[in-house]
Amino acid sequence: DAMVIQNPRYQVTQFGKPVTLSCSQTLNHNVMYWYQQKSSQAPKLLFHYYDKDFNNEADTPDNFQSRRPNTSFCFLDIRSPGLGDAAMYLCATSTPFNPNQPQHFGDGTRLSIL
Amino acid sequence: AQKITQTQPGMFVQEKEAVTLDCTYDTSDPSYGLFWYKQPSSGEMIFLIYQGSYDQQNATEGRYSLNFQKARKSANLVISASQLGDSAMYFCAMREALFSGGYNKLIFGAGTRLAVHP
Repeated sequence: DAMVIQNPRYQVTQFGKPVTLSCSQTLNHNVMYWYQQKSSQAPKLLFHYYDKDFNNEADTPDNFQSRRPNTSFCFLDIRSPGLGDAAMYLCATSTPFNPNQPQHFGDGTRLSIL
Repeated sequence: AQKITQTQPGMFVQEKEAVTLDCTYDTSDPSYGLFWYKQPSSGEMIFLIYQGSYDQQNATEGRYSLNFQKARKSANLVISASQLGDSAMYFCAMREALFSGGYNKLIFGAGTRLAVHP
């Protein structure tokens, strides 16, 4: 089945130690998104790609970066994680020019900071 | 700016009964779309149902239906014949256009945690 896969499901890192989360998709969708969801809160968009074009939300911290080497893969890099970055990180995909279609989400990566 | 409001932090329902989860929205765009997602404790976001602003009929998908009242700006999710597996967080979301690229981001409400009791 076509899907969005996030690895790992659970990630533990130390305060200040860089960490990378990965997302892959077999849907061949042009658009990929990264959302941050803190405990008991709604998901919040960090940035998105349309193909290779990167766009971040105005309030996304500089600590967060992303790479998309090809259509299938997208990475979220947190350069120096702080305790406040502990959250669920959700990757999603969509196709353009079809706004009625839902975004397809991966299972998420739950990040803990020690 | 677009806004989604879910006023019920938590809801309880008996197994096999129906439950309504409330969602109100605010937008000045005449063309909009509303989504409902289910998020179990394991974390994945599962798409349930979609309602477009120009849709003539309320959306239905199996046991899920939308009570869409455009004038009231509400899009309540109705789950019929609740099952234990329906226990989860439920999010109402609205699409917001990103640039003119024909694609969108989702603006989520705060969510409602549903607990189904046997």
